[in-house]
Amino acid sequence: KAGVTQTPRYLIKTRGQQVTLSCSPISGHRSVSWYQQTPGQGLQFLFEYFSETQRNKGNFPGRFSGRQFSNSRSEMNVSTLELGDSALYLCASSPEGQYGYTFGSGTRLTVV
Amino acid sequence: QKEVEQNSGPLSVPEGAIASLNCTYSDRGSQSFFWYRQYSGKSPELIMFIYSNGDKEDGRFTAQLNKASQYVSLLIRDSQPSDSATYLCAVNPNQMQLTFGSGTQLTVLP
Repeated sequence: KAGVTQTPRYLIKTRGQQVTLSCSPISGHRSVSWYQQTPGQGLQFLFEYFSETQRNKGNFPGRFSGRQFSNSRSEMNVSTLELGDSALYLCASSPEGQYGYTFGSGTRLTVV
Repeated sequence: QKEVEQNSGPLSVPEGAIASLNCTYSDRGSQSFFWYRQYSGKSPELIMFIYSNGDKEDGRFTAQLNKASQYVSLLIRDSQPSDSATYLCAVNPNQMQLTFGSGTQLTVLP
């Protein structure tokens, strides 16, 4: 069974640009969530989608957005990038959400 | 007060010893609890989950939950150098997200 696939693995962007990250969950998993990991703040929840609906959102500015498609694949978008957005962005999927999440390998975003 | 707190590391144990990792949480309504292991440069890997008070054993790992004390722990028996990693405690307060602690870095010395 294929795991959670995130693309791209690495990204370098310039301040002010926008970026889109992609996540393909494990087959059959309908819940997809996104996390940001930084050395200073640790793992922080961004948002969660289930059946194309955003059910929960973390405490991040509106520059961070996401969506989920009918095949459960998800994308997250960050607009007007800031240096502080440099982080590892992790996607995780779960059958229903309460059973624990399986993480992808992450996308390492560097903003210069 | 942080929502999920873990005992500060780093924690070093000799090979073959028991490593004990602790976690407290603030949301009394939390129903499920998870331990993730994260190797340097890798993504978190789920190693244990527990929903009910008491102990849950899986191989060398034992998770312990005490909802009255809002306390979760992970014991690693017969620790191996390959267990050296950061261990993250996570709580699922509303079944739609995980709230993580800051992690405890474990080093198992050969």
